Amino acid sequence: AQRVTQPEKLLSVFKGAPVELKCNYSYSGSPELFWYVQYSRQRLQLLLRHISRESIKGFTADLNKGETSFHLKKPFAQEEDSAMYYCALNGLTTSGTYKYIFGTGTRLKVLA
Amino acid sequence: DTGVSQDPRHKITKRGQNVTFRCDPISEHNRLYWYRQTLGQGPEFLTYFQNEAQLEKSRLLSDRFSAERPKGSFSTLEIQRTEQGDSAMYLCASSSPTSNRNTDTQYFGPGTRLTVL
Repeated sequence: AQRVTQPEKLLSVFKGAPVELKCNYSYSGSPELFWYVQYSRQRLQLLLRHISRESIKGFTADLNKGETSFHLKKPFAQEEDSAMYYCALNGLTTSGTYKYIFGTGTRLKVLA
Repeated sequence: DTGVSQDPRHKITKRGQNVTFRCDPISEHNRLYWYRQTLGQGPEFLTYFQNEAQLEKSRLLSDRFSAERPKGSFSTLEIQRTEQGDSAMYLCASSSPTSNRNTDTQYFGPGTRLTVL
């Protein structure tokens, strides 16, 4: 079954500390993975996607097929990074279309 | 065009009533998605349109739920005979016709929060 697991509901770190938000997935094919973020009182928006291998707002995420993980990392957390983070997988359905599967989310709190 | 819009933003209804939500996607986007989100959970996929065609429908979508996108632009999601378990945030998202699977960025609306009493 296709599944995205985010084991931590809440992660609190101090400003300037490194951050790692964990994401593990279960998917039989070649996965396409994304991180979405929701800041307070804002709508859900894309943060980054694995295919682009980009760094957005200092965040990076590397796809590890061996460990089936796509952890989100940032070396130095900022207070404005406090938000809800969702890992998502775009996977093939049995009917041949694609659909997104989201994890349950991790709330990141960056403390001053 | 300021992005995906949804109406209403909040809806309170009594159990057994019917409700309808509307989503207006970004104008040039031909893909439109509906999700449901309950407290402590991520968005759960409900259904997906490409233009006016409904291509995928989740098993979560019981017979009481129906979605339409008659002209390939805005979409409606109707819930008949609402139940307390239908209380949730209903999210709409759209994506660009030029995107493929690995660049299919979803642009989300603000959501409609449904409370069934």
